[in-house]
Amino acid sequence: AQSVTQLDSHVSVSEGTPVLLRCNYSSSYSPSLFWYVQHPNKGLQLLLKYTSAATLVKGINGFEAEFKKSETSFHLTKPSAHMSDAAEYFCVVRGGGADGLTFGKGTHLIIQP
Amino acid sequence: DTGVSQDPRHKITKRGQNVTFRCDPISEHNRLYWYRQTLGQGPEFLTYFQNEAQLEKSRLLSNRFSAERPKGSFSTLEIQRTEQGDSAMYLCASSLVGERETQYFGPGTRLLVL
Repeated sequence: AQSVTQLDSHVSVSEGTPVLLRCNYSSSYSPSLFWYVQHPNKGLQLLLKYTSAATLVKGINGFEAEFKKSETSFHLTKPSAHMSDAAEYFCVVRGGGADGLTFGKGTHLIIQP
Repeated sequence: DTGVSQDPRHKITKRGQNVTFRCDPISEHNRLYWYRQTLGQGPEFLTYFQNEAQLEKSRLLSNRFSAERPKGSFSTLEIQRTEQGDSAMYLCASSLVGERETQYFGPGTRLLVL
């Protein structure tokens, strides 16, 4: 069985400052890990994914995440926040079993002007 | 637009009524998934199909929920005898099976049961 823990339900940063959204995972298998973003009244959009290639994964809109097996973490970062980054972010794991994705509870990212 | 589409986008129904939602996947994708998302939570996996075969349905929330994908293209999710607790966003996703499989999501159907 797999699970995901997003360590912060809300993160607030000022525009132009770095973003860090934290995620820890648990999986019995070698996992695939994803970050999805959900803007209000819009569908889930894939930001990036890790599938056992490079441990540092680059995604869209300047986001990246680093897979650290020893820490079972997959934190999402961005060097400089933009107002348009305000949204709900989900850390997601897929590994064996039913092939359905297991989502974290989400982190609400707030960007202060 | 070649993304995943869902219909309707919103549905209001009275308790006890049956509802059916439709999902049209990306055309070349052979896997189709259904999820439910309640307020303040991440999506919860319900069931999935590979072509027309339903390969996992143990996560469906009760026997009031059923899904079909008769020709391996579009899929329907039906909820019978709706309850207020069924109010949620129902999401569909599709993918191409493989080691680097990635699921692409539709906009969802928001259900409100009165």
